[in-house]
Amino acid sequence: AQSVTQPDIHITVSEGASLELRCNYSYGATPYLFWYVQSPGQGLQLLLKYFSGDTLVQGIKGFEAEFKRSQSSFNLRKPSVHWSDAAEYFCAVGARAGGTSYGKLTFGQGTILTVHP
Amino acid sequence: EADIYQTPRYLVIGTGKKITLECSQTMGHDKMYWYQQDPGMELHLIHYSYGVNSTEKGDLSSESTVSRIRTEHFPLTLESARPSHTSQYLCASSESATGGSLYGYTFGSGTRLTVV
Repeated sequence: AQSVTQPDIHITVSEGASLELRCNYSYGATPYLFWYVQSPGQGLQLLLKYFSGDTLVQGIKGFEAEFKRSQSSFNLRKPSVHWSDAAEYFCAVGARAGGTSYGKLTFGQGTILTVHP
Repeated sequence: EADIYQTPRYLVIGTGKKITLECSQTMGHDKMYWYQQDPGMELHLIHYSYGVNSTEKGDLSSESTVSRIRTEHFPLTLESARPSHTSQYLCASSESATGGSLYGYTFGSGTRLTVV
C-alpha cells in the first residue's frame, strides 16, 4: 500500500527566507506526486504535481518540488517566503494505472507553515 | 474559482440526529470523493464514486453512507450522529481522463461538523 510521511508537523520561517518542506513516500513503483495547500477553513488547492519527465517541477505561487527516486522524496521549496504563504501543506501520492488504489490519493499528515514578519 | 460546493460550511448538531452533508460539482466530473480530516492528521478517504450508481467505501471505515444518483451530486449521510463523528469533511471530484490527469482533484471548502 502507498503511504506518505511529512516529518515536520510545524515549521516557522521569517518572511523572505527560503523554505523547504519535506515529503517521503512509499510506493512500489514511480507514483504520481502532488503538493496541496490549505488555508484555514478552506479546501485544498493544488500547488504542483509530478507525473513523469523532468524531476524538477514548477507550480503556482513560486513553489517548486524535486522528485528524487533514490530517496523516495518529493520536497517542496520556495526561495523567498511571503507572509501570505502561511498555511498547511499536504503532500500526496497516487498510484499509476492498475491495482485497487488507482484514482485515489493518499495524503501525508500535513505541515503547518508559520511566517514571521 | 471553486466549481464544487459543500453545504453547510459549519454544523453543530446533537447526538442521535440524522444529517446529510451536501456536495455538488458543475464540472461534469465522473469521479467524486469524500475525505475526513481531523486537526493535525492526514486526510482519510471514506467514500468514492466513479460514476452514477457507483459507490465504494474508502480506506478509513466510516459509519456514514453516500449516494450518487446524479453525476453532479454526492451527498454524505449520517443516520445517527455521535461525538466521534466530529471532524471536517472534504468533498472532491476529478475528471475521467486516464493516467495522471485522473488526479486533477478539485476540492470543496469543506463542512466542519461538531456533534454535541
